[in-house]
Amino acid sequence: DTAVSQTPKYLVTQMGNDKSIKCEQNLGHDTMYWYKQDSKKFLKIMFSYNNKELIINETVPNRFSPKSPDKAHLNLHINSLELGDSAVYFCASSRASGGSSDTQYFGPGTRLTVL
Amino acid sequence: GNSVTQMEGPVTLSEEAFLTINCTYTATGYPSLFWYVQYPGEGLQLLLKATKADDKGSNKGFEATYRKETTSFHLEKGSVQVSDSAVYFCALSPQGGSEKLVFGKGTKLTVNP
Repeated sequence: DTAVSQTPKYLVTQMGNDKSIKCEQNLGHDTMYWYKQDSKKFLKIMFSYNNKELIINETVPNRFSPKSPDKAHLNLHINSLELGDSAVYFCASSRASGGSSDTQYFGPGTRLTVL
Repeated sequence: GNSVTQMEGPVTLSEEAFLTINCTYTATGYPSLFWYVQYPGEGLQLLLKATKADDKGSNKGFEATYRKETTSFHLEKGSVQVSDSAVYFCALSPQGGSEKLVFGKGTKLTVNP
C-alpha cells in the first residue's frame, strides 16, 4: 500500500489555467505538508496542516490555496498558473504536531509544467 | 534564520569508494537533523536522522554524527554501490516544535561500476 500518494504524477497545462493536485496519506498522521522543488532540485516548504488546520504558510502567492477536507487529505489548488510555477510538488505527512524529530514521509511528487 | 549548507555536486565515484557529503547548519538551540535520499524519478525517503548532539544516525551502511561544536552532520559510507546513485538532501527541523524541514540544495551522487 502506498503511504503517501499524489495525483496526477504529471500535469502539463497552459498559462492562466487553474489546476489542482491531490494528496492522500494512509499512515494515520496528523500533519501534512506541501513542498516545491525547483529545476535546481531546491526544496522549500509551502504549507503545513495539522488536523485540517493551517499551521505553516510560507511566503507563497495567494494563487496557491491548500485545502484539507480531512486529516488524511491535503489538496493544492493553483489559480492563474504562471511559467514560474513549473516545478515538482511534493506532499508529505508526519505523525504529530509539536515534534521536531518526527520523520516526514513524502509522496512521489507531481511534475507541473506550465506552457 | 535557519539554514543548511551542503557540498555542491555532482559527485562521481567508482563502486566501493568511500563517500563523504558535507553538511553544516545554522540554527538556534538544538534542531533535529536528517538526511533524505531521492532516487531517480521518486520522492524523498528518510535515510537517517539524529535528534540530539553526539547522536549517530545510521542506515544501509550510511552514517552521520550530530556535531554541535562544528554545527555539522556529514554523511559517510565506507563502500558505495551503483544502487546508491541518487540525490542526497541534508535537512533540519528547528527546535521548539516546528515541523518545518529546512533543506540543503541537494548533492547528486553517481556511482559507476
